[in-house]
Amino acid sequence: DQQVKQNSPSLSVQEGRISILNCDYTNSMFDYFLWYKKYPAEGPTFLISISSIKDKNEDGRFTVFLNKSAKHLSLHIVPSQPGDSAVYFCAGGGSEKLVFGKGTKLTVNP
Amino acid sequence: DAGVIQSPRHEVTEMGQEVTLRCKPISGHDYLFWYRQTMMRGLELLIYFNNNVPIDDSGMPEDRFSAKMPNASFSTLKIQPSEPRDSAVYFCASTWDRGPQHFGDGTRLSIL
Repeated sequence: DQQVKQNSPSLSVQEGRISILNCDYTNSMFDYFLWYKKYPAEGPTFLISISSIKDKNEDGRFTVFLNKSAKHLSLHIVPSQPGDSAVYFCAGGGSEKLVFGKGTKLTVNP
Repeated sequence: DAGVIQSPRHEVTEMGQEVTLRCKPISGHDYLFWYRQTMMRGLELLIYFNNNVPIDDSGMPEDRFSAKMPNASFSTLKIQPSEPRDSAVYFCASTWDRGPQHFGDGTRLSIL
């Protein structure tokens, strides 16, 4: 039973445009969510998080939106840069443990 | 400050051999996590420790897997005997007080 789902395995966007990565969850007990970025042959790197009591969190070019009623969150990257090309994982947490989605591979074309 | 350090980066061994993966967490972190990443199952939690004590090992697939944390700066994940289906990338992560987890660069394990 996948508690965190990233239904798009891949996404391709043009440099300078917006990238929108989506994530759905089923576990109502999650009280915070995180996004990680992963380059090949490296470990995931923390990008941005959001508490379940908020609906938006922004950090520079990265914004995470949370819709609790729809059990959906999204990561917006504006403007997208070629260096943003990576696999992005969303994760939900209700304690110390995190449950990860399977990731979305983002390619930003110059 | 140094990040999470894992060794070896790559391991290739034959079925039936013992495999030991090592992790040095970030100094001062009180939580340590072991994950396994495969194409089929994605990134799944195997076990985690708090202050060197195992808290939840429900993700450990079989008795062939064991993990220890003898002190705050070192942890091992052992597979004995290893099988081809154990081939995966194994990550270690650490954090302090439920903050964002910091990951090592992983060990790519291939069992022939």
